[in-house]
Amino acid sequence: SQTIHQWPATLVQPVGSPLSLECTVEGTSNPNLYWYRQAAGRGLQLLFYSVGIGQISSEVPQNLSASRPQDRQFILSSKKLLLSDSGFYLCAWQGFGEAFFGQGTRLTVV
Amino acid sequence: TQLLEQSPQFLSIQEGENLTVYCNSSSVFSSLQWYRQEPGEGPVLLVTVVTGGEVKKLKRLTFQFGDARKDSSLHITAAQPGDTGLYLCAGAGAGGTSYGKLTFGQGTILTVHP
Repeated sequence: SQTIHQWPATLVQPVGSPLSLECTVEGTSNPNLYWYRQAAGRGLQLLFYSVGIGQISSEVPQNLSASRPQDRQFILSSKKLLLSDSGFYLCAWQGFGEAFFGQGTRLTVV
Repeated sequence: TQLLEQSPQFLSIQEGENLTVYCNSSSVFSSLQWYRQEPGEGPVLLVTVVTGGEVKKLKRLTFQFGDARKDSSLHITAAQPGDTGLYLCAGAGAGGTSYGKLTFGQGTILTVHP
């Protein structure tokens, strides 16, 4: 079965600092991978998705970027964090219309 | 752009009561999923419905997909405190640029009081 690892679980970063969140998937090859952001207790906003190595699609313009250096690795980055980047970030593997999520990263920008 | 309207946004009930959560859209979905999420964790898939009119049961939870595949409902019978959480519906795009992408509803925060 597929397993998604996402880390760190929580992160507190100052404004203007860089960001790197990592997600890895086990148990599947060539997965479709997604980064979502969730406001407190609400729905998910799709940020990026990737169908393969080096292939990134951005859904909304923002201060973040994503990369897929390996088949089962998906990274969310920022060069300079803004206060508005605070939130709960979720990595997901998606197949046949169903999504399987990592544990999430609570990012607080101070 | 596909939208899923989920209602109600908040639901606070007593243990033993029944409840229904709705997801509605003007778009057709190839499938629709329901997820449950606890604070600080990722959503966990409960069920996927694929066929128009389909009904699936998971213990005290009943899920229904509308005949036109544009809406869905989640009904919980005799709610228990352990049912407390955020419930999310998500529809998978049926074609074009939306194919395979998931559109999430805004979620329903359910609190079941003992």
